[in-house]
Amino acid sequence: AQSVAQPEDQVNVAEGNPLTVKCTYSVSGNPYLFWYVQYPNRGLQFLLKYITGDNLVKGSYGFEAEFNKSQTSFHLKKPSALVSDSALYFCAVRDNGYGQNFVFGPGTRLSVLP
Amino acid sequence: DTAVSQTPKYLVTQMGNDKSIKCEQNLGHDTMYWYKQDSKKFLKIMFSYNNKELIINETVPNRFSPKSPDKAHLNLHINSLELGDSAVYFCASSPSRGGEQFFGPGTRLTVL
Repeated sequence: AQSVAQPEDQVNVAEGNPLTVKCTYSVSGNPYLFWYVQYPNRGLQFLLKYITGDNLVKGSYGFEAEFNKSQTSFHLKKPSALVSDSALYFCAVRDNGYGQNFVFGPGTRLSVLP
Repeated sequence: DTAVSQTPKYLVTQMGNDKSIKCEQNLGHDTMYWYKQDSKKFLKIMFSYNNKELIINETVPNRFSPKSPDKAHLNLHINSLELGDSAVYFCASSPSRGGEQFFGPGTRLTVL
């Protein structure tokens, strides 16, 4: 069965500094990986996905993620953090079986300090 | 012109009651989902429908029954509500099975 780990409950970063939110996964076969963001009292919003191709994926709001097959990681990055990036971030993996089920990580709370 | 909408936004009810949450998407997507997010923000898939056909039915008590009258709607009916059902329930849709998902605003269910 597939699984997702986000090793940090909380990430704090100063505004203007680069940020990284970590994600590692376990899945049989080729991974389909996603990042979502959740602002307070809102539903999740899709940021980016990796299906195949270039290991560096660019997404919404200046975010990007790097797929590393050997390390089974899919870390989310942004070169310069904004206070408005403060939110809960979820990594998700989709299995390749009939159900194409999604499993979400436990989430990482990002706080960008002014 | 909300993409994925849910009603109601808040639902407060007594143990043992039966309640429904409605979900509609106007994106023309084929696949819809129900998720439960608990108080620790863990998100777990409950059901997935593709073109009105049930695809995923995770280990959810049979008190929970999804119904998809058409491709644009996926409702969730819950019988005999229990305290542990208190959570935020999210509906989502995607253009294809396994694609990125568009989430509704959530329904916060509180069982007293």
